[in-house]
Order: sequence, then structure tokens, then C-alpha cells
Amino acid sequence: GQSLEQPSEVTAVEGAIVQINCTYQTSGFYGLSWYQQHDGGAPTFLSYNALDGLEETGRFSSFLSRSDSYGYLLLQELQMKDSASYFCAGRDSGGGADGLTFGKGTHLIIQP
Amino acid sequence: DTGVSQDPRHKITKRGQNVTFRCDPISEHNRLYWYRQTLGQGPEFLTYFQNEAQLEKSRLLSDRFSAERPKGSFSTLEIQRTEQGDSAMYLCASSLASQGPDTQYFGPGTRLTVL
Repeated sequence: GQSLEQPSEVTAVEGAIVQINCTYQTSGFYGLSWYQQHDGGAPTFLSYNALDGLEETGRFSSFLSRSDSYGYLLLQELQMKDSASYFCAGRDSGGGADGLTFGKGTHLIIQP
Repeated sequence: DTGVSQDPRHKITKRGQNVTFRCDPISEHNRLYWYRQTLGQGPEFLTYFQNEAQLEKSRLLSDRFSAERPKGSFSTLEIQRTEQGDSAMYLCASSLASQGPDTQYFGPGTRLTVL
């Protein structure tokens, strides 16, 4: 099995940069995904890191370090609409599972 | 591409009743997943289909839960003899083989309230 840990809440200012960290413990691991969920909405895929390093998609970037069992999501030029919960998720390669295991989520609060 | 749809969006039932939810994945997505989410938590994996075959079930999926995907298109999730602890948002997701299982597209969910 696996578990993913992330901070429960992060606060940042509009226009700034914020980093949301995720650490994981697992017997085997395919990679790390990030999902965004607005209140009352469905999770939306943001990015996936299969390999170590940085993946950039517009204002969002995601990083993975397998040796440190650590990843992060970086959001730049924060906008009020970025206020949401952000989840890291992974699949455990040990059991050949395709269902994602999610962290508990980080609630991002953007202040004007 | 109309996205993943789920029906109903809300369901209120009394304890002990049976309920059934439907999920229509994005067309041509061969993988379909069911998750459950409670307030303040991340989605929890329940089960997964590749085409019509149910390939994986979480230990969270008790004997009261059953899921089907008879023709490899839409799927149903049935909960028998509902309990108050079953109250949650039930999410369906689908993925395309070429994109891999880590890129999943979620539907709006069915919110179940068991009284």
C-alpha cells in the first residue's frame, strides 16, 4: 500500500507563487499526479510526473524526486480562481493497481 | 467530447434501502473507475473496469456494493441495504489507454445522503 502526505492548508497572495508539497511512502510507485478540485466540483487532472524532474504546463509546474519520495506542485502568478483543493495521487506498482491513491488534499486560500 | 456524466447528481435515501448510480464515461475511454469522497478527504478508490472486465476492487468495497459495466460503456454502482456511513460523494472517472491510468477524467459525482 501507499500513503501520501500533504499540508492541509496553504495561504498565498494573488499574483504570488506558492508551492504545495507531497511526500509519499509506498512499496512501489509509478509516478505522481496532481488534481485540482473546487468546492462542489469534480477533481480535474493537472499534471503527471513519471520521471524525476520538473514538468511545466502554463502557470503550473510539478516536480518529482523518487530518491526523496517527494514531489511538489508550483503555482505561479496566482489568481483568485486558483482557490481550490489540490491533491497529489499515485499508483502502487506493487499490486499492479490502476486505481489512484490520493492524499487528503491541500486547501489553497488566495488573498487579494 | 461531452465529458464524464453521472446520474443522479443527488440521492437521499433511508437506511436499509438500495440505491443505484450510473456513470457514462468519455466515449472511447476503455477504463472506468469508481471512487468515494467524504468531506475534507481525498477520493478513495473503490473499483476499476477495463472495458467490461472488473479488474480491481478495493477492500473498501464491502459485499453490499456491486458494480457492473456490461457492454464496456456505461457503468452502474449499486449499494444494497444502505447505512449512514455510506453517505458520501461517489465519483466516476475514465481514462484513455493511450494517456495511461494516471490521467483520469472525473464526473461531477453523485452525492448520497443516507438518513
